[in-house]
Amino acid sequence: NAGVTQTPKFQVLKTGQSMTLQCAQDMNHNSMYWYRQDPGMGLRLIYYSASEGTTDKGEVPNGYNVSRLNKREFSLRLESAAPSQTSVYFCASSEGASTLYEQYFGPGTRLTVT
Amino acid sequence: EDKVVQSPLSLVVHEGDTVTLNCSYEVTNFRSLLWYKQEKKAPTFLFMLTSSGIEKKSGRLSSILDKKELFSILNITATQTGDSAIYLCAGLYGGSQGNLIFGKGTKLSVKP
Repeated sequence: NAGVTQTPKFQVLKTGQSMTLQCAQDMNHNSMYWYRQDPGMGLRLIYYSASEGTTDKGEVPNGYNVSRLNKREFSLRLESAAPSQTSVYFCASSEGASTLYEQYFGPGTRLTVT
Repeated sequence: EDKVVQSPLSLVVHEGDTVTLNCSYEVTNFRSLLWYKQEKKAPTFLFMLTSSGIEKKSGRLSSILDKKELFSILNITATQTGDSAIYLCAGLYGGSQGNLIFGKGTKLSVKP
């Protein structure tokens, strides 16, 4: 099992450009999450998908959209990138509700917006 | 406002030392407290603590939760250089799904 995979590993964007971060898991997990990690800020939840077909906002959703394409894949889209979105983005998945199951994290995507 | 505060923010010790990492929380609809270890990339799960006063152990690592005083500690005994990492604490809150609010982490460096 590859676990949680993310593409790309690194990306540099200019302000105003758009891009989609891809995440896939092969553990047949129901729930998936997108976090961003900034220096000195810890991990913050952007969006999550409790199950296929549902998505909900987390702590910092502004400037992002998500799509739960199927049970395996959960993508994060930046429609018009801003320097404030420079961060490391982590995707995670869990078998079910976080109250019962641990989250497994992907290796992260380092995004720089100039 | 919900928050999770970790201390110290960084710590340097020598191999063989014992360390204690602290985590305090103010989280609405608190469910559990989780600890993660983050080395170069993805955080990896260590413990989930839901009940007060019950210690969880995994090898040289142990953790306990105090729901009255709203804090948790993570102990590492006989530290090794491989323990060098950022240790993240997170409060699990909310309804049936549950979501995590993370602290800023404690960066532990273990010197040979």
